[in-house]
Amino acid sequence: GEDVEQSLFLSVREGDSSVINCTYTDSSSTYLYWYKQEPGAGLQLLTYIFSNMDMKQDQRLTVLLNKKDKHLSLRIADTQTGDSAIYFCAERFDSSYKLIFGSGTRLLVRP
Amino acid sequence: GAVVSQHPSRVICKSGTSVKIECRSLDFQATTMFWYRQFPKQSLMLMATSNEGSKATYEQGVEKDKFLINHASLTLSTLTVTSAHPEDSSFYICSARGPTDRNEAFFGQGTRLTVV
Repeated sequence: GEDVEQSLFLSVREGDSSVINCTYTDSSSTYLYWYKQEPGAGLQLLTYIFSNMDMKQDQRLTVLLNKKDKHLSLRIADTQTGDSAIYFCAERFDSSYKLIFGSGTRLLVRP
Repeated sequence: GAVVSQHPSRVICKSGTSVKIECRSLDFQATTMFWYRQFPKQSLMLMATSNEGSKATYEQGVEKDKFLINHASLTLSTLTVTSAHPEDSSFYICSARGPTDRNEAFFGQGTRLTVV
């Protein structure tokens, strides 16, 4: 079955880069997503990558996909205190938009 | 565009009562919606896929008689937690596939259910 793992916690200093990692077991996914969740709120889509791509850059965000190692990462450049939140990676396998979520990484940005 | 609205955002109910949560796509039609449940400090677990005009598809381990899903129109899906108990307290989030030119699912704001 599908299994998506993330490290639980990451702490960085404001202005530094943050790298959040995600590993998955099922390589048949079509798209992989990164979502941000602030306390008590829903999910905000940050970016996504098609499974046949290796990298995608979107302003401060860079997504790297290593299909061989089944590893996905999200790099946030110049991390700000407003980036403090929980970040989820998610896999999508077909056209239905059903998503399998990772365990979430709590990012804390220190002033 | 592509906004999903979920209501209510918070609800407290007594044990044994039923609670209905609504998920609406405001500016697009959604033939398929998804209901997730999130326990404190945990990930989102898919509960069921809601299909307009047909029965919902439930994930393994989710009681369909406990969590009733109705998707009667292209813009509204409802989740009813029947005979709620304290262990049903959780954060429930819906999502909908966006318009065909948007390759993403859109999420509601979530509903915090507390059963006392």
